[in-house]
Amino acid sequence: GQSLEQPSEVTAVEGAIVQINCTYQTSGFYGLSWYQQHDGGAPTFLSYNALDGLEETGRFSSFLSRSDSYGYLLLQELQMKDSASYFCAALNAGNNRKLIWGLGTSLAVNP
Amino acid sequence: SQTIHQWPATLVQPVGSPLSLECTVEGTSNPNLYWYRQAAGRGLQLLFYSVGIGQISSEVPQNLSASRPQDRQFILSSKKLLLSDSGFYLCAWSVGGSNQPQHFGDGTRLSIL
Repeated sequence: GQSLEQPSEVTAVEGAIVQINCTYQTSGFYGLSWYQQHDGGAPTFLSYNALDGLEETGRFSSFLSRSDSYGYLLLQELQMKDSASYFCAALNAGNNRKLIWGLGTSLAVNP
Repeated sequence: SQTIHQWPATLVQPVGSPLSLECTVEGTSNPNLYWYRQAAGRGLQLLFYSVGIGQISSEVPQNLSASRPQDRQFILSSKKLLLSDSGFYLCAWSVGGSNQPQHFGDGTRLSIL
């Protein structure tokens, strides 16, 4: 079957660095996306890795290793507003461009 | 730039009533369109997707249906709502024929009484 695994909860303090891992098992893998969702809000797109390596966007970076079927989201200089759920999603092959979603990681940033 | 509009933001409906949620996308042509549902504290469940006008694929058999009457309009409907239809409904789009990521509307929070 197709699935993504990520930790259910992560806790960190302001100013720290946190890494949220995601392992995937899919057929026809194209790339890995990361989304942030605050309570009551819609998911917002953070990053997308189609190639192996690190993609950096401000305080957030995302990494992909196709050979290991593994990726991670790295959040630096954590702020209270980063408290949210983070989802990894694998882009699937085919004309429909479906995303296979992980169940999300709830990040709590404490003072 | 592209924008996605979804309405209403919240909706309270009695069991057995009909449903119509609408989603429109601006600033792009022939997008891929998606309807998701998210139960409280859970992940996203893909309900329907569409790669073109009149082309609808269903992921989960249920009492919901979707239609795409225009290129950038996607509608989620039901003839008779069930209690289990409560949830957070999200419309999303991506660039047609590409591997570009999906972008979401603000969602509709549906409560069935």
